[in-house]
Amino acid sequence: AQSVSQHNHHVILSEAASLELGCNYSYGGTVNLFWYVQYPGQHLQLLLKYFSGDPLVKGIKGFEAEFIKSKFSFNLRKPSVQWSDTAEYFCAVNGAGNNRKLIWGLGTSLAVNP
Amino acid sequence: GAGVSQSPSNKVTEKGKDVELRCDPISGHTALYWYRQRLGQGLEFLIYFQGNSAPDKSGLPSDRFSAERTGESVSTLTIQRTQQEDSAVYLCASSLGQTNNEQFFGPGTRLTVL
Repeated sequence: AQSVSQHNHHVILSEAASLELGCNYSYGGTVNLFWYVQYPGQHLQLLLKYFSGDPLVKGIKGFEAEFIKSKFSFNLRKPSVQWSDTAEYFCAVNGAGNNRKLIWGLGTSLAVNP
Repeated sequence: GAGVSQSPSNKVTEKGKDVELRCDPISGHTALYWYRQRLGQGLEFLIYFQGNSAPDKSGLPSDRFSAERTGESVSTLTIQRTQQEDSAVYLCASSLGQTNNEQFFGPGTRLTVL
């Protein structure tokens, strides 16, 4: 069955700490991978995406993610978080070459203390 | 131009009533998606429209749920005889509809069924 697993449901960090949020997926075939972010009171927006090519992708606000095919993983990282990174983070996958439904993880709530 | 818009932003209804939710996609986006997010759960795919093709309705949870889209414009999601378990945030997204396109999300409609 197609699924996405996010290992951390709630993460609390202090400013300047490093962040890594885990994401593993189960999906037959070649995939597109996404991280979306939802800041408090705002709607979902794309943080970064992987379609093909370099497995290390860089997104907005200093975030990056690495696609490791052998591990079916797409972990999100940021070397130094800020208070403004407090948000809900969602990992999602769909099949490469189509635009069909995204399969979503349950999300990780990140709170960054100033 | 403007992003994806949804109305109403909040809807409170009584069990058994019908509700209609509206989505205005980004102009020029041929693909449109509906998702549902229940409290504490990840996003759940409901239905996908792509141009004039038959919609992918595989995510609709019951025959009480239906959706329409006229051409490449507005879509309405209708829930008949609402139940308490229908309470959720209903999210609409649109994309260009070409291979491997990002989905852009609206702010959602929060539905509460009393």
